[in-house]
Amino acid sequence: ELKVEQNPLFLSMQEGKNYTIYCNYSTTSDRLYWYRQDPGKSLESLFVLLSNGAVKQEGRLMASLDTKARLSTLHITAAVHDLSATYFCAVDIPDTNAGKSTFGDGTTLTVKP
Amino acid sequence: DAMVIQNPRYQVTQFGKPVTLSCSQTLNHNVMYWYQQKSSQAPKLLFHYYDKDFNNEADTPDNFQSRRPNTSFCFLDIRSPGLGDAAMYLCATSRDLLGKVEAFFGQGTRLTVV
Repeated sequence: ELKVEQNPLFLSMQEGKNYTIYCNYSTTSDRLYWYRQDPGKSLESLFVLLSNGAVKQEGRLMASLDTKARLSTLHITAAVHDLSATYFCAVDIPDTNAGKSTFGDGTTLTVKP
Repeated sequence: DAMVIQNPRYQVTQFGKPVTLSCSQTLNHNVMYWYQQKSSQAPKLLFHYYDKDFNNEADTPDNFQSRRPNTSFCFLDIRSPGLGDAAMYLCATSRDLLGKVEAFFGQGTRLTVV
């Protein structure tokens, strides 16, 4: 059974600071996704990482994937209040007939002035 | 323009009264998923359709059923909602399974059971 663990689960940081969210998973997979969710809203796709060493950046967020370590990171640079949200990583279950994702428990980020 | 549309956005139903949630997509994607997300938890996959092929997760209760009458529409039926079924229900689509690049999520339906 695929397990996906995120840490930290809660993160409070000041504007302008940098921080990294970690996503570990238990079974070999080369498809990992990062989503953002605002309170009461649905999931918004941020990044799709499909190979070892993949790195993608959008604004103040950068995601990377190390399939050998079974680890993805979401790095936040110079945080701003608008980044406050819950961030989920999701990993596709390695099954030839499945396009199903297992989600981590989410990291709730609060950026304070 | 919204590509995955869920209706209604909010649904209140009585304990034990059947309820149907709907999802439509304009992406012509082969795969449609239903997730349940309870407060402060991760989304949990209930089932998915690949075209007309239905795939139920092993731990999805029998109380939850789904229909996909055509490519564009998919329904989630809860036959006898209990208080524990109150949650956000998320519909998602992807182009196909093996070549899946990303999933597109609808806005969700928040279900309240009274």
